Amino acid sequence: ETGVTQTPRHLVMGMTNKKSLKCEQHLGHNAMYWYKQSAKKPLELMFVYNFKEQTENNSVPSRFSPECPNSSHLFLHLHTLQPEDSALYLCASSQEGGRGADTQYFGPGTRLTVL
Amino acid sequence: GQNIDQPTEMTATEGAIVQINCTYQTSGFNGLFWYQQHAGEAPTFLSYNVLDGLEEKGRFSSFLSRSKGYSYLLLKELQMKDSASYLCAARDSNYQLIWGAGTKLIIKP
Repeated sequence: ETGVTQTPRHLVMGMTNKKSLKCEQHLGHNAMYWYKQSAKKPLELMFVYNFKEQTENNSVPSRFSPECPNSSHLFLHLHTLQPEDSALYLCASSQEGGRGADTQYFGPGTRLTVL
Repeated sequence: GQNIDQPTEMTATEGAIVQINCTYQTSGFNGLFWYQQHAGEAPTFLSYNVLDGLEEKGRFSSFLSRSKGYSYLLLKELQMKDSASYLCAARDSNYQLIWGAGTKLIIKP
């Protein structure tokens, strides 16, 4: 596999469910990101990890819980979500965590629907 | 506050040229990115500008004017597969990416 992969691609869950999103990057990068993409809105940065350490948490509700066990894997644990959390969740990785011409490479996303 | 403005939607004809504009207001500036995103797919990197001027890459070119807080993406010889959303993002002084809402480009035969 190459690039950034995400599973599952689609997820439907009830408000009381617990689920996890998985992201894996095969690019040898040191930084990983979670974004939320809602229709006709800018990408919203949720979390940033550099060398497995969380360096950014953009006031994300605690019902979203990230985990980064190593530089290649990133999880987003979900519990007690609300219907307004329905969106496309994108994972990205980059070499240097934002310096210089550091470019982010995205996975295909998980389309989440909360009923 | 920090802000990126780009048109919501544009329509162009196959074989023609289209220019997608982006204006930005950020606290400091460390470069501007353009990404392409087909419906239901990942955003893919198109270009990066940090100095004023035009960067050409095949059918796609990107221009930056730092003094005007302005960039554009120029697409030539449009093909049907160019139908997609084009995202503009500027990096601020803290190296955070500030994203626009994207421009949906519709190509007609």
